[in-house]
Amino acid sequence: EAGVAQSPRYKIIEKRQSVAFWCNPISGHATLYWYQQILGQGPKLLIQFQNNGVVDDSQLPKDRFSAERLKGVDSTLKIQPAKLEDSAVYLCASSPGRSSGNTIYFGEGSWLTVV
Amino acid sequence: SQQGEEDPQALSIQEGENATMNCSYKTSINNLQWYRQNSGRGLVHLILIRSNEREKHSGRLRVTLDTSKKSSSLLITASRAADTASYFCATVYNFNKFYFGSGTKLNVKP
Repeated sequence: EAGVAQSPRYKIIEKRQSVAFWCNPISGHATLYWYQQILGQGPKLLIQFQNNGVVDDSQLPKDRFSAERLKGVDSTLKIQPAKLEDSAVYLCASSPGRSSGNTIYFGEGSWLTVV
Repeated sequence: SQQGEEDPQALSIQEGENATMNCSYKTSINNLQWYRQNSGRGLVHLILIRSNEREKHSGRLRVTLDTSKKSSSLLITASRAADTASYFCATVYNFNKFYFGSGTKLNVKP
């Protein structure tokens, strides 16, 4: 079974530029998550999708971050314009569904450096 | 807040020793899970304990949950150098919402 795929793996941009990250979850997984992990910290939930609907985006900085999940499969996270404090690893994860007892499966992450 | 807090932040032990890390949280959970992250990689699920369970075992891992104290502990027995990683507890709520703490960084010296 293929895992969660993310791209690009690494990205360096200047502040005020834009960047987009792509995620393809495990086939059949209804729930998709985007987390931001700053160096030395734990993952912080940015947005959670159930199929193509948003379950939770309360911690997504909506003035600069946006995310969509087209047709309930893959997803794109965009940052525009980027700030220095956005330097982090952006982790995509997926889970089979909403029933309790699910675990989530993470991709390898997209490393963003804003200079 | 809904995420747990791990303690200690860092732990250094010798190979063969046991490693214990703790997680405290503030609001009632559906279940609690522990994940491991090797440097530069994504998180990997280790073990899940439901809110009506008190203890679970998986290989060299033992996890306990005390819902009255809102705390959990993860014990790794007979640690190996390959266990060197960061360990995170995830508190899980309705609708499969997962929140992660700041982690315990474990260093196992050969």
